[in-house]
Amino acid sequence: DADVTQTPRNRITKTGKRIMLECSQTKGHDRMYWYRQDPGLGLRLIYYSFDVKDINKGEISDGYSVSRQAQAKFSLSLESAIPNQTALYFCATSGTELVNNEQFFGPGTRLTVL
Amino acid sequence: GENVEQHPSTLSVQEGDSAVIKCTYSDSASNYFPWYKQELGKGPQLIIDIRSNVGEKKDQRIAVTLNKTAKHFSLHITETQPEDSAVYFCAARRGNEKLTFGTGTRLTIIP
Repeated sequence: DADVTQTPRNRITKTGKRIMLECSQTKGHDRMYWYRQDPGLGLRLIYYSFDVKDINKGEISDGYSVSRQAQAKFSLSLESAIPNQTALYFCATSGTELVNNEQFFGPGTRLTVL
Repeated sequence: GENVEQHPSTLSVQEGDSAVIKCTYSDSASNYFPWYKQELGKGPQLIIDIRSNVGEKKDQRIAVTLNKTAKHFSLHITETQPEDSAVYFCAARRGNEKLTFGTGTRLTIIP
């Protein structure tokens, strides 16, 4: 089974709808992240959480919110989706060690907002 | 905050030739520099990393070099094969903070 799972894998929605993307991990990591990938713009950080009680904005948090329901679960919400939020979204996890602190990514969610 | 620039954005090389991707970073306190490979339809995966206390690291056909003075680091892939075709991301991090990624390089190996 995959260590980092994302649901749904693909979603098409309409402008103004509320959307939730979910991420679960079995790696036992404290740290979780949400990224957005657009062509030519790389991976941009939306929100990150260093533990269950910690939530931080990334570089492009406007229009998004998150919930860290448990160590293993981190959800991303689009309160009112707009077409320029059409993108590939990745969840990632990492440990807290200073060394061997690899970031593990999920398979991604392709979101299309019409 | 940290800013990472990556070049080129696309790169095509003949199978068997070498490929080089370069990144520069802005925060002189950054001390960890990983490279990720993203295959089609998948999430990025770590392929090699380097810390600021070394200048070069090799793992079979891939190597990374780091020039702390100039604040740049590079990924070198030798004897390229079709399975090396992917998007590659560099990243930088200070201590145990969050990673900052470059904008990615799409590498195409021409058979």
